[in-house]
Amino acid sequence: GAGVSQSPSNKVTEKGKDVELRCDPISGHTALYWYRQSLGQGLEFLIYFQGNSAPDKSGLPSDRFSAERTGGSVSTLTIQRTQQEDSAVYLCASSPGQGGKLFFGSGTQLSVL
Amino acid sequence: KQEVTQIPAALSVPEGENLVLNCSFTDSAIYNLQWFRQDPGKGLTSLLLIQSSQREQTSGRLNASLDKSSGRSTLYIAASQPGDSATYLCAASNAGNMLTFGGGTRLMVKP
Repeated sequence: GAGVSQSPSNKVTEKGKDVELRCDPISGHTALYWYRQSLGQGLEFLIYFQGNSAPDKSGLPSDRFSAERTGGSVSTLTIQRTQQEDSAVYLCASSPGQGGKLFFGSGTQLSVL
Repeated sequence: KQEVTQIPAALSVPEGENLVLNCSFTDSAIYNLQWFRQDPGKGLTSLLLIQSSQREQTSGRLNASLDKSSGRSTLYIAASQPGDSATYLCAASNAGNMLTFGGGTRLMVKP
């Protein structure tokens, strides 16, 4: 595609519910990243995929967070039993390969009530 | 663990001024350093990428420099315009291809 696409753009959910966030990277990009940006805060690294494998899961805040990538393309970030502190903008980025320029999507604004 | 700091946190300048944004990082074993722009409510747009072997990159009115030994990078914006108003973020890439971001500099260019 023309750019990194994320869906939904906005998600409001109740505390305790599960949510799935989707990222469609630029076609052919092998590297995919998830970041979280809380209000007034910097970007927090969550997870990185090279192809379908995630060599670095150290950034996931808790075991309620998981992510997968299939076919070397689409990735989903799942948050189980959401908490209010999970409210943030979740940003996805892709890159042609290691050390390349990152291209970001517009993000998913998650609000947990 | 890499730490990236950006100074100042906010900057307001009149239109036409040249300005410098600063970025410092603690671990000099970087693969590259990138500068991004973020507009309110939007994602990040990549501005410049400097590989570890390079000293600077230029794009239009933007020039980014890199000094690995001192752990510093600067983003120079020439002849600033109101459209340059945004938050500017730098990010250092280390082993494992993980980017560590600074807190950003919020720039306001007044007409």
